Amino acid sequence: DTGVSQDPRHKITKRGQNVTFRCDPISEHNRLYWYRQTLGQGPEFLTYFQNEAQLEKSRLLSDRFSAERPKGSFSTLEIQRTEQGDSAMYLCASSSAPKNTEAFFGQGTRLTVV
Amino acid sequence: SQQGEEDPQALSIQEGENATMNCSYKTSINNLQWYRQNSGRGLVHLILIRSNEREKHSGRLRVTLDTSKKSSSLLITASRAADTASYFCATVLYTGTASKLTFGTGTRLQVTL
Repeated sequence: DTGVSQDPRHKITKRGQNVTFRCDPISEHNRLYWYRQTLGQGPEFLTYFQNEAQLEKSRLLSDRFSAERPKGSFSTLEIQRTEQGDSAMYLCASSSAPKNTEAFFGQGTRLTVV
Repeated sequence: SQQGEEDPQALSIQEGENATMNCSYKTSINNLQWYRQNSGRGLVHLILIRSNEREKHSGRLRVTLDTSKKSSSLLITASRAADTASYFCATVLYTGTASKLTFGTGTRLQVTL
């Protein structure tokens, strides 16, 4: 068990460019979450998958954001036409089906938009 | 938007002292979880308490939950320098198929030698 893996760990991009992040959850986990965290704040929920189905999407997620989880395994989060306000740590987490279970977080992808 | 608020926002104590952090939340919950985050890293799960439980222990951690007051506390006993981190509470409410974690704003704990 290698835990939740996120790639890349750091990304610097110019405003207006598109970026894509990848998350590989723990293999037997069917739930996958994306969160965004800015400095000094708690993680803010972005979206949630159960298997390949995207069951919930935060209103924080504008049309520039899209997430996929093909085949219910890894997930990608894409941000189109990045803005400076998108600069943040993007965290992925996974958990297993039974209720009352903990979530396991990856190390995050730190995005800096210049 | 974030569900809860931790209190205090920052806490500085000496090694060996106890640290108490409080969390308040707004809605009904199925469980409440505490996580730790070292600077610039991901979150690590510490302990989970269900809505029908009032107190739970794990090593040097003690968590209480008062659903009537919509509050929880995390006590770290005999703190160590390695406990220096940010601590977050997160609530879970099952609504059909959704079971997302909603985090509070966090308490930054500094343990000095």
